[in-house]
Amino acid sequence: TQLLEQSPQFLSIQEGENLTVYCNSSSVFSSLQWYRQEPGEGPVLLVTVVTGGEVKKLKRLTFQFGDARKDSSLHITAAQPGDTGLYLCAGGWGGNTPLVFGKGTRLSVIA
Amino acid sequence: KAGVTQTPRYLIKTRGQQVTLSCSPISGHRSVSWYQQTPGQGLQFLFEYFSETQRNKGNFPGRFSGRQFSNSRSEMNVSTLELGDSALYLCASSLGGGSMYNEQFFGPGTRLTVL
Repeated sequence: TQLLEQSPQFLSIQEGENLTVYCNSSSVFSSLQWYRQEPGEGPVLLVTVVTGGEVKKLKRLTFQFGDARKDSSLHITAAQPGDTGLYLCAGGWGGNTPLVFGKGTRLSVIA
Repeated sequence: KAGVTQTPRYLIKTRGQQVTLSCSPISGHRSVSWYQQTPGQGLQFLFEYFSETQRNKGNFPGRFSGRQFSNSRSEMNVSTLELGDSALYLCASSLGGGSMYNEQFFGPGTRLTVL
């Protein structure tokens, strides 16, 4: 059983469209991180959210942590081909415990 | 600051062989974690080393082992390779003791193919 479920698994959209991807769990996390992984590279940290209800913006990307700290969403406005990649969410319980990762959403933005 | 480096980038082995992968963390990072990434299972945690000691371990068989040196560099070893070990092996470093959220900084990975 996957602790963090990400949806959708795959998403293919046209340049300029908006999209939202989700990361859901039945567990409560002290923090939730989002990473993006491009082909041939390792994941790169985009953001960490730590407070229930928190919203963080990174240019055209908006991240939200659910009030109960069990879920998160990533919204991309006016997607560009450079947004193409695998988006991974990772939950943490703080301290030295390892992160748990979702399987990711593979996004393809077509010009 | 230089990022996390992993060597080699690609490796082809046959069943039954063993393999050693290497990881150099970001300078100042004392924690090194290893992950296995496959299309079916996603990113799965193998183990974490901090100050030359294994601090956390995932649910992998004993064929997977690792170590960390005094300069924080780490190696991962897989013995008696199986076809199912074909994967991208990622190393990530973090500050370790002082990091509240355990944010991971990943290397580019080693692509292992077992024939």
